[in-house]
Amino acid sequence: GAVVSQHPSWVICKSGTSVKIECRSLDFQATTMFWYRQFPKQSLMLMATSNEGSKATYEQGVEKDKFLINHASLTLSTLTVTSAHPEDSSFYICSAYASLNEQFFGPGTRLTVL
Amino acid sequence: DAKTTQPTSMDCAEGRAANLPCNHSTISGNEYVYWYRQIHSQGPQYIIHGLKNNETNEMASLIITEDRKSSTLILPHATLRDTAVYYCIVRVAPGAGSYQLTFGKGTKLSVIP
Repeated sequence: GAVVSQHPSWVICKSGTSVKIECRSLDFQATTMFWYRQFPKQSLMLMATSNEGSKATYEQGVEKDKFLINHASLTLSTLTVTSAHPEDSSFYICSAYASLNEQFFGPGTRLTVL
Repeated sequence: DAKTTQPTSMDCAEGRAANLPCNHSTISGNEYVYWYRQIHSQGPQYIIHGLKNNETNEMASLIITEDRKSSTLILPHATLRDTAVYYCIVRVAPGAGSYQLTFGKGTKLSVIP
């Protein structure tokens, strides 16, 4: 199947700093990518839809100024958590459609904010 | 998208078939049933999807009832590596609506040696 990568796989940062997470589609082009967040023992929650060449669409309750999304090319979307705080500690996962019916997910990025 | 109901957890003996049920009684005629699974600390993995006919691939089989109000994912010979949370998701086909997937709580399948 198609491959989606994320970098870094885990990151620890101090409170108040910003963290950038990259999501890449390795063998296909993705006009649309999705960013999810998953807290421990909970399900995935969609944060935003990332569209190549245009602004991201955020889900209700997700602060667009805090979670900056840039979809600069058909194979790369980035999520920047600005001024991170401990409550932002979570597992962040991206995904993209390689074909009409198959959405492929990245391996996830574990963010820990101290 | 229609809501789904799944058992919170299930156990299955290694080598036996794992049958994971899903209720989707409010499913619409143009909505598909998708199954994904998430192994601990990894991203979800696509398993299979179907509209109304039974489907089979190298990973699993999907049995959808005639009224489409429920379905069962079958892992024919469960292995320890199949231990994961399995998500049943109902949504319209891509192109007919939003591309996003809405995840419920899923079923935690534990394969026991």
